[in-house]
Amino acid sequence: NAGVTQTPKFQVLKTGQSMTLQCAQDMNHNSMYWYRQDPGMGLRLIYYSASEGTTDKGEVPNGYNVSRLNKREFSLRLESAAPSQTSVYFCASRGSLGQPTYHQAFFGQGTRLTVV
Amino acid sequence: AQSVTQLGSHVSVSEGALVLLRCNYSSSVPPYLFWYVQYPNQGLQLLLKYTTGATLVKGINGFEAEFKKSETSFHLTKPSAHMSDAAEYFCAVSEQNQGGKLIFGQGTELSVKP
Repeated sequence: NAGVTQTPKFQVLKTGQSMTLQCAQDMNHNSMYWYRQDPGMGLRLIYYSASEGTTDKGEVPNGYNVSRLNKREFSLRLESAAPSQTSVYFCASRGSLGQPTYHQAFFGQGTRLTVV
Repeated sequence: AQSVTQLGSHVSVSEGALVLLRCNYSSSVPPYLFWYVQYPNQGLQLLLKYTTGATLVKGINGFEAEFKKSETSFHLTKPSAHMSDAAEYFCAVSEQNQGGKLIFGQGTELSVKP
């Protein structure tokens, strides 16, 4: 049982380049989230998906897009990377109604992104 | 809108001393409240959660937290700090609906001195 898997673990981009961060969970969770973590700022919610086929903006959505491809996968896309998007990105999924882990969020190991 | 404020970005205690990490929340509806811990270069792990029922909740590694609605607080405590408790701790809040936003505070880094 892998939990939440993020790829890649590290990435360096040049300003203006695009890339997609991948996230997959194998716990049959309905809800999935993308956060960015910056020193002194905690985790800030970028986008979330309450269920397959739905996505909603979080606290800091500008410059990002997401796709909930199916129940397992939730990807985050940077169309034109900027140095301000240098951060550590975390994907999470959350236990669904009826599951013992209802409400509990499970996190991936993070993607460390540097934009130069 | 929901928000979380953690008082003190860094807390330092001696081994064996009381740990107290403060969290206040803002929510227009009854919230669910969480504490997560993050060790260096890792993702976050759940320490404990309050959903309904008893307002004093116990978590892993000897931590506990008390939900005080009148004070809109959910402070984390541990009677006796251990060196292995050194980590960053995050308080989080969500609405009582499935799949809702999960909002985190700024985090508190806990240092434990020998």
